[in-house]
Amino acid sequence: SQQGEEDPQALSIQEGENATMNCSYKTSINNLQWYRQNSGRGLVHLILIRSNEREKHSGRLRVTLDTSKKSSSLLITASRAADTASYFCATRTSGTYKYIFGTGTRLKVLA
Amino acid sequence: GAVVSQHPSWVICKSGTSVKIECRSLDFQATTMFWYRQFPKQSLMLMATSNEGSKATYEQGVEKDKFLINHASLTLSTLTVTSAHPEDSSFYICSALTLGLAGGAQETQYFGPGTRLLVL
Repeated sequence: SQQGEEDPQALSIQEGENATMNCSYKTSINNLQWYRQNSGRGLVHLILIRSNEREKHSGRLRVTLDTSKKSSSLLITASRAADTASYFCATRTSGTYKYIFGTGTRLKVLA
Repeated sequence: GAVVSQHPSWVICKSGTSVKIECRSLDFQATTMFWYRQFPKQSLMLMATSNEGSKATYEQGVEKDKFLINHASLTLSTLTVTSAHPEDSSFYICSALTLGLAGGAQETQYFGPGTRLLVL
């Protein structure tokens, strides 16, 4: 399967703590994006990082990309109960506009 | 930001019937739309890439005769699940690709809210 792997599969933390989730993929990519999905709902785009970028920030989010290891990480700082959701990485394979999603991390932030 | 709608939001049907799901980009034109399927507590699996004015490209293992895709205009793609069976029950999500400003400066996929299909 082309699908990327994410770990951990599930993560439970206290409000105020940081949450880190990792994504590994298999092919050469043009870019990688992170999405959030609240239970049973559509996806919300969080951040895009291009293959020639190593780190990006957006508010409480920090994304890193290591193309030599074919991996990315998403850090959410000072987590809130409202951050409880599933988080997916999606990679765009070079030469196409197709996106392949990772297996997802279910984050639960306890108040 | 850009909005993508799906209709219906959920549908229940009897086994053997066909169900059509619409995906619309409301405030932008999308030459490319994607259809995904998501089973409970699993990730999104890409089913097909839909290009306006041409045949859809299906992923390996997806039956093109069962999941008919039509990209009739730059703002509308439809997915028809033909002769639906209980195993087709799933959450179907579409997305529309916009290249943003200056031909690709801010490429983003915008996702619809999804359609939950239950086949009895």
